[in-house]
Amino acid sequence: TQLLEQSPQFLSIQEGENLTVYCNSSSVFSSLQWYRQEPGEGPVLLVTVVTGGEVKKLKRLTFQFGDARKDSSLHITAAQPGDTGLYLCAGIGSFQKLVFGTGTRLLVSP
Amino acid sequence: KAGVTQTPRYLIKTRGQQVTLSCSPISGHRSVSWYQQTPGQGLQFLFEYFSETQRNKGNFPGRFSGRQFSNSRSEMNVSTLELGDSALYLCASSSRTGPLLNEQYFGPGTRLTVT
Repeated sequence: TQLLEQSPQFLSIQEGENLTVYCNSSSVFSSLQWYRQEPGEGPVLLVTVVTGGEVKKLKRLTFQFGDARKDSSLHITAAQPGDTGLYLCAGIGSFQKLVFGTGTRLLVSP
Repeated sequence: KAGVTQTPRYLIKTRGQQVTLSCSPISGHRSVSWYQQTPGQGLQFLFEYFSETQRNKGNFPGRFSGRQFSNSRSEMNVSTLELGDSALYLCASSSRTGPLLNEQYFGPGTRLTVT
């Protein structure tokens, strides 16, 4: 069974702080996605990383895929209250099924 | 372009009953996937339908079933409801036609509570 563990589970920070969320697995994934989910809504895709070692930037968010394609990280610079939400990593696993991580709930206070 | 819509948004059922949830994908999308989200187990894949055929299935008991209509709209059914079936059920559509998974667009979900 392919599993994705995220850490930390919860993060409460002040506006302007930096943070990193980690997504780890013992399995190799062909690609990895990051989603953000807000209350009452479904997850929204932020990025897909495909190549080991790949780094992608989306404004203040930086995503990295591990060299061995087993782990990934999301770094947010100067967090804002609008970044509040549930962050989910998801790996494309066997038979093209999406395997979601355990989730990181982020609260950014003004 | 309208997004993925799910009905109803909220549902309360009693143990032993059955329930049917509906999903209308983005226009032109023929692939529809269903997921269950719970605090304990997180987001788990239920099944995927493409052109009225189940293309992929997760590890859920046979009480969970689905179907897709010729207009790509999909329904999922859960029979003999258990307390543990209380969850947010999410539907996602994609333009996927071939073997590789591409971007999925999620609906807002149906919150099912089983009492």
